[in-house]
Amino acid sequence: DAGVIQSPRHEVTEMGQEVTLRCKPISGHDYLFWYRQTMMRGLELLIYFNNNVPIDDSGMPEDRFSAKMPNASFSTLKIQPSEPRDSAVYFCASRPASTDTQYFGPGTRLTVL
Amino acid sequence: AQSVTQLGSHVSVSEGALVLLRCNYSSSVPPYLFWYVQYPNQGLQLLLKYTTGATLVKGINGFEAEFKKSETSFHLTKPSAHMSDAAEYFCAVSDREGTYKYIFGTGTRLKVLA
Repeated sequence: DAGVIQSPRHEVTEMGQEVTLRCKPISGHDYLFWYRQTMMRGLELLIYFNNNVPIDDSGMPEDRFSAKMPNASFSTLKIQPSEPRDSAVYFCASRPASTDTQYFGPGTRLTVL
Repeated sequence: AQSVTQLGSHVSVSEGALVLLRCNYSSSVPPYLFWYVQYPNQGLQLLLKYTTGATLVKGINGFEAEFKKSETSFHLTKPSAHMSDAAEYFCAVSDREGTYKYIFGTGTRLKVLA
């Protein structure tokens, strides 16, 4: 298996622009997680899905952030409008229902100027 | 509420020396416990985990960790550090029921000196 795939790996945008981050989980995994990593706050869980349904979005910082999972093999995290403080590395992770181990993608490094 | 504390944001050891990275958790019931490693510009990779059974857990790359309920600790050790161990290490906990959401510690960056 190719593992969790994230795109783009790097994104540089200007404040106010819309940003879309993409994730393809490992096939057969029922859970998908979006994390944000910053120097100040470390690794934070933003939202997670079970069988394509959002279960807990309490970590989403504000309404500018939204996440969707239209099918079992694809999820997006959108920021609109983006702000400099959104600059971070965003990770996607997935796991099957049968285990407690999460498998992480390589991350997307977002820079908002 | 669960929480994780990693003592020491930076740890330096000489090549061949013992590696000890500390992790303490706070939870009303013993959680599941994990150690992940993050190499530069990469995602997190599972090193080892404790769920049930033997409290001494062996992981990849020669690492091991021991779950000590009385001390609420899950410290990571490796007898002899290698240059390739230089990375950031994260301890995480998750609950035993329901979501298995992770709560991560703040991470410890390990530097290995030649």
